[in-house]
Amino acid sequence: NAGVTQTPKFRVLKTGQSMTLLCAQDMNHEYMYWYRQDPGMGLRLIHYSVGEGTTAKGEVPDGYNVSRLKKQNFLLGLESAAPSQTSVYFCASLYRGANVLTFGAGSRLTVL
Amino acid sequence: GEDVEQSLFLSVREGDSSVINCTYTDSSSTYLYWYKQEPGAGLQLLTYIFSNMDMKQDQRLTVLLNKKDKHLSLRIADTQTGDSAIYFCAERPGYSSASKIIFGSGTRLSIRP
Repeated sequence: NAGVTQTPKFRVLKTGQSMTLLCAQDMNHEYMYWYRQDPGMGLRLIHYSVGEGTTAKGEVPDGYNVSRLKKQNFLLGLESAAPSQTSVYFCASLYRGANVLTFGAGSRLTVL
Repeated sequence: GEDVEQSLFLSVREGDSSVINCTYTDSSSTYLYWYKQEPGAGLQLLTYIFSNMDMKQDQRLTVLLNKKDKHLSLRIADTQTGDSAIYFCAERPGYSSASKIIFGSGTRLSIRP
């Protein structure tokens, strides 16, 4: 039982490049989330999804897109990376009716 | 709006108690959480408390909730070096069926010998 798996764990991009972070969960959770973590700012919600085929904006959605084509996967895309997107990205999932988020180990992204 | 605030740093001597404080703004919050993040790792749930409780104890951890003041605290008794981590307070607003859980900035706990 892997829980929440994020790939890649580390990535370095140049400004303007694009990339996709993948989050996969094997717990049949309905809700999935992408957060970014920056020093002194805690975790800020980027986008979230309440089910397959649906997504919604969080607190800091600009510059990111997401897709939830399959229940178990939640993809976070950066179309044109900027240095301000240098951060650690965390995916999390939640079973509807439950109370506790399960987090992935994080993906550290550096944009030069 | 929703907001969760914590101090950024706390330093305690090994063996003493640590008390990490948090304030939140949403009076409709149903659940309040404490997560722990060790260096280079993701967040792990330490404990949580339902809003109709005012205290929860679990071994060395004690959570106190003051709903009137919207204040949450985490006490770690007999603090050990393994307790060094960032501790995040989080709330789940009561109106949010999608469980949009809001996190504070995290308190970095360091242990002095």
